[in-house]
Amino acid sequence: DTGVSQDPRHKITKRGQNVTFRCDPISEHNRLYWYRQTLGQGPEFLTYFQNEAQLEKSRLLSDRFSAERPKGSFSTLEIQRTEQGDSAMYLCASSLAGVNQPQHFGDGTRLSIL
Amino acid sequence: AQTVTQSQPEMSVQEAETVTLSCTYDTSESDYYLFWYKQPPSRQMILVIRQEAYKQQNATENRFSVNFQKAAKSFSLKISDSQLGDAAMYFCAYRTVFNSGNTPLVFGKGTRLSVIA
Repeated sequence: DTGVSQDPRHKITKRGQNVTFRCDPISEHNRLYWYRQTLGQGPEFLTYFQNEAQLEKSRLLSDRFSAERPKGSFSTLEIQRTEQGDSAMYLCASSLAGVNQPQHFGDGTRLSIL
Repeated sequence: AQTVTQSQPEMSVQEAETVTLSCTYDTSESDYYLFWYKQPPSRQMILVIRQEAYKQQNATENRFSVNFQKAAKSFSLKISDSQLGDAAMYFCAYRTVFNSGNTPLVFGKGTRLSVIA
């Protein structure tokens, strides 16, 4: 069990640029979640997958955001035409199926928009 | 929609003492899960303890225990014999069992705990 891995740890970009983050879940976990955490706040749900299927998207996920999980393994979160308000920590979590299964979190990717 | 409220933005405790962090939540459901997560500075969030709503017995994990008051919709975390390594942000979280629990967590805003040597 190597844990949930996220890449990069930090991303600094100019407003208007596109960015992509990657999450590698724990290998046997079929559920994968993306959250966003801004300073002084708790994580807020963005979207989640069961295997390769994206089952739910939050209203926080505007049209500029897209997430994929090809083949049900790693996942990517892309933000197009970044805005100042996108600056945040983006957290990935994974879990086994089952109502009592806890979510395991990665270290997160901190995005800073100049 | 469910909401989670942590009314204490910051707390401090002397090393070896006991501290209690508060959490209240709002839901119309009768069955659900509650969690406390710990997020140390610049480190990943880890699960501290969880409680199933249909279980009346309060969960305990070593120095960590909860006081679950279902009728009051209250879920506080007690840390006994506090250690320097307990310093972190603590988040209370809610999860419905609807849809077989195939749902995300709803988090509170967190409580920053400082431990004084």
